[in-house]
This record gives sequence, C-alpha cells and structure tokens, in this order.
Amino acid sequence: DTGVSQDPRHKITKRGQNVTFRCDPISEHNRLYWYRQTLGQGPEFLTYFQNEAQLEKSRLLSDRFSAERPKGSFSTLEIQRTEQGDSAMYLCASSLDPGGNEKLFFGSGTQLSVL
Amino acid sequence: AQTVTQSQPEMSVQEAETVTLSCTYDTSESDYYLFWYKQPPSRQMILVIRQEAYKQQNATENRFSVNFQKAAKSFSLKISDSQLGDAAMYFCALIQGAQKLVFGQGTRLTINP
Repeated sequence: DTGVSQDPRHKITKRGQNVTFRCDPISEHNRLYWYRQTLGQGPEFLTYFQNEAQLEKSRLLSDRFSAERPKGSFSTLEIQRTEQGDSAMYLCASSLDPGGNEKLFFGSGTQLSVL
Repeated sequence: AQTVTQSQPEMSVQEAETVTLSCTYDTSESDYYLFWYKQPPSRQMILVIRQEAYKQQNATENRFSVNFQKAAKSFSLKISDSQLGDAAMYFCALIQGAQKLVFGQGTRLTINP
C-alpha cells in the first residue's frame, strides 16, 4: 500500500492523559499536513511541514499540541493534558511540492475520543 | 484570508439522475487551485476533481464535472448518472501558493434508489 498511513485508527483516552498519533506519508512526498475534523464540519488546518521544517501553525494548535517530522519522513502529533474538546478526527495528508499539482492525499485519520 | 462556502448542508437525488453541488469562495490571489473531495462513511477523504484557476476550460473526470466561474468565484460540482456509491459528504476546497488547503463546511449527498 503506497497511500498515507495513520496509526492508530481509534484512540480512547481519559481527560488529562497525553496521546500521540503517527502519520506515514506517501514516500516521495515532501509536504505533510495535519488537519482536525469534528463531526459534520470540514477539516480545519493545524500545521504543515516541508521536509522536516514546520512552516505554519494554526492558532487552533494550542501549546498542548506539538508536531514533529524529525527526518522529513513520518510525523507525530502529540496532545498533552487532553481535554474533552480535543475529541475529533485527526487527518494527515501529504503532497509533492513542486510538481504535485497541489494535490493532497489523505490518510484514513485517527479518531480521538476523550472521556 | 481565504474562505470557502457551501450553502447546501444536504442534497438528495434519484439514482441515475444528475445533481449539482454549489460552492463559492473568496481569495485575493489570481493563481490558485480548487478541489472537490468526497468523504464516505469510512471518513477517508478522496479527491474527486481539481481545477486550476488559470484554465478557462472546466475540468471533467468521467461522471464528474465542474462549472468554474472565476469572476463570480463560484465552483459547482455536477454528478451525472448518480450511483449509490456516490453517497457521501462532499467538500469544496481551495489552495493557493502551495500552502494549506481550506475547506468548506460540506454537503451531505444522499442517493435515493
């Protein structure tokens, strides 16, 4: 499978716990994006990387959120001290820049439930 | 700031008929790209069709086509010969300057057999 892979698919945690999600992009893609989607809404941008550099972060990304892409390949998104409002689908996407025609390819997402 | 608006929260169509989903957007740039993504119950976002703003010709992909009106900042999706497998949430999205994709609120499409 050469698509975008996300792990885990589902995560249930208690309020106050830390969680970490992983995203493996399409192998030749140098751009990687994180989005958050709540039920019935469109995805909202969180952050993106060009290779290992984090180029932009949304104001949605509070100081409890941190994302890394240490070697320009896979990425992790960590949420510390989770809150019930963090419950959402976390989507990862990747693209090739330049030459990718601006097409983003999405993973299946990680569904987070904070109890 | 870029914004994308989908004014139809829900649409339904009879199987084999044609349906059009609406989208308007706002951007100050002249060079950008527009997309329609499909999200079935599995929640996997699937790219349906893509349009470059500098191209006047409307994009088509099999049963899917767009009506791109640049001056009006309108980008509608037409699905011909609707099939049960087309049932999903459809999101209109905009990207400019090789940056982030901005999505609309989505339209839930139901196909009636």
